Amino acid sequence: DADVTQTPRNRITKTGKRIMLECSQTKGHDRMYWYRQDPGLGLRLIYYSFDVKDINKGEISDGYSVSRQAQAKFSLSLESAIPNQTALYFCAIAPTSGGAQFFGPGTRLTVL
Amino acid sequence: AQSVTQLDSHVSVSEGTPVLLRCNYSSSYSPSLFWYVQHPNKGLQLLLKYTSAATLVKGINGFEAEFKKSETSFHLTKPSAHMSDAAEYFCVVSPDSNYQLIWGAGTKLIIKP
Repeated sequence: DADVTQTPRNRITKTGKRIMLECSQTKGHDRMYWYRQDPGLGLRLIYYSFDVKDINKGEISDGYSVSRQAQAKFSLSLESAIPNQTALYFCAIAPTSGGAQFFGPGTRLTVL
Repeated sequence: AQSVTQLDSHVSVSEGTPVLLRCNYSSSYSPSLFWYVQHPNKGLQLLLKYTSAATLVKGINGFEAEFKKSETSFHLTKPSAHMSDAAEYFCVVSPDSNYQLIWGAGTKLIIKP
């Protein structure tokens, strides 16, 4: 079984809809992250969490919110989706010591 | 400010020839450095990491990278390219363990038969 799972894997939605992307992990790592990937821009950090009570904004948090429901679960919400939020979204985890992050398979989101 | 520059957006090599993907970084601290690979329509996989031990780091699939502090570089190499190496490669820097990863824009590696 994969260490990091993301659901859904693909989603098409319409402008203005609320969307939630979910991430869960089986490694017991404290740190969890949400990124988006756009062609030619690499990965950009949206939000990150170092434990259940610690949530931090990343580089591009506007238009997004997150919830760390448990150590193993970290969800990303788009309250009112817009077309420029069309992207590939990745969840990642890392141990408390930091360093390398390990990624889920990604969610491809299309906002029409 | 910390930053990562991948010097080539695309690199094309013939199968069986050496691969060089270039990465320069800027960091105020002694950084940790990583290379990740993303195959088409796949997630991101850690290739190798440098965390202040040996400056020549060996990774998976025959890749290696050398940390050169004087040149602020962390180039990725492989002696002989294989068709399965076709992917996008990302150089990443972490200035310290509590700092977020800083990602390069990626280099697409194309392998010609």
